[in-house]
Amino acid sequence: AQSVAQPEDQVNVAEGNPLTVKCTYSVSGNPYLFWYVQYPNRGLQFLLKYITGDNLVKGSYGFEAEFNKSQTSFHLKKPSALVSDSALYFCAVRPSISSGSARQLTFGSGTQLTVLP
Amino acid sequence: KAGVTQTPRYLIKTRGQQVTLSCSPISGHRSVSWYQQTPGQGLQFLFEYFSETQRNKGNFPGRFSGRQFSNSRSEMNVSTLELGDSALYLCASSFVGQGVTGELFFGEGSRLTVL
Repeated sequence: AQSVAQPEDQVNVAEGNPLTVKCTYSVSGNPYLFWYVQYPNRGLQFLLKYITGDNLVKGSYGFEAEFNKSQTSFHLKKPSALVSDSALYFCAVRPSISSGSARQLTFGSGTQLTVLP
Repeated sequence: KAGVTQTPRYLIKTRGQQVTLSCSPISGHRSVSWYQQTPGQGLQFLFEYFSETQRNKGNFPGRFSGRQFSNSRSEMNVSTLELGDSALYLCASSFVGQGVTGELFFGEGSRLTVL
């Protein structure tokens, strides 16, 4: 079975500084990896995904993520944080091996990002 | 293009009652999944529907059920509500043509409070 770990419940960063939200995964075979963001009382918004190819994936709102197969990690990054980036961030994984659970995502526990003015 | 629409957004029920939640997927999306979000358990998969058939089910009791209609709209039902069923229920749709590489698009959720 697949799993995702987000080791930090809370990340604080000053506005204008770079931010990193960490994610590690465990899955059989090659992983498909996703990042989502959730604002208070809202649903999840898709940020980016890694399927194959370039290890650095660029997504919405200036976010990017780096896939590292040897470390089984998929950390979310942004060069310069904004106060409006403050939200709950979820990493998710889906195995590439097709099965009955083809579209099911396994989510991490989430990381609350706070960007301080 | 309209996003995933969930109704109602908020509802309050008492223990023992039942509840039905509705989800309209993005036009053209034929797969609909449901997730439960709670502070303690995080995001947990409930079930997925495609072509009016349940394709996969998470580890939830039989009180949780769902269905999908021919227009891809989906409903989920929780019977004999318990306090622990209080949660944000999220519906997500995806474009089946992308297969397993496609991302899920989530609705705003239905927040259920059980008293």
